[in-house]
Amino acid sequence: EAQVTQNPRYLITVTGKKLTVTCSQNMNHEYMSWYRQDPGLGLRQIYYSMNVEVTDKGDVPEGYKVSRKEKRNFPLILESPSPNQTSLYFCASTLKWGDYEQYFGPGTRLTVT
Amino acid sequence: RKEVEQDPGPFNVPEGATVAFNCTYSNSASQSFFWYRQDCRKEPKLLMSVYSSGNEDGRFTAQLNRASQYISLLIRDSKLSDSATYLCVVNMGKLVFGAGTILRVKS
Repeated sequence: EAQVTQNPRYLITVTGKKLTVTCSQNMNHEYMSWYRQDPGLGLRQIYYSMNVEVTDKGDVPEGYKVSRKEKRNFPLILESPSPNQTSLYFCASTLKWGDYEQYFGPGTRLTVT
Repeated sequence: RKEVEQDPGPFNVPEGATVAFNCTYSNSASQSFFWYRQDCRKEPKLLMSVYSSGNEDGRFTAQLNRASQYISLLIRDSKLSDSATYLCVVNMGKLVFGAGTILRVKS
């Protein structure tokens, strides 16, 4: 089954404790991205990757890191989480950049206390 | 002003009703437009793309008005299963998502 998977789905952590949210897709997509969704604000892009070893900042990259060592995986790293990073996070992939359908993972609900 | 604006709703309609949502965008050079559907606490999924000539998919019709910089989504004969949040998405060289319009269809 073609899909995007994310783990964990739910996470409660404390300020400053490094965490990683994994994202994997099995559709051989080139383009992957991370979004956060907050009430009233819509999805905002954190980072994106056009292909392996190519990553770039989105609209709200502060406090986040990513890597793209393999085509299928695109982990999101929070080196020192803070309460303002409490949000719903979605990983997405698409065939390549352009007018192609975005496939989203199921989401990760993160709470930082 | 937000780059993509939607009426947050909620729109509460009875089954069988026709309902329409509008979405306005700020960048007149925007090239492509989409509607995504998001069920509560779940991931967004593509509902339909919006073409210049307008397009229809069953009970759903999407239209684009470039002069006034808005797109619309019309749902006819609403079903309970149409209850969701509808996200307007505009390609401005990057994908910009609206905050969504909540639709609740009641029996």
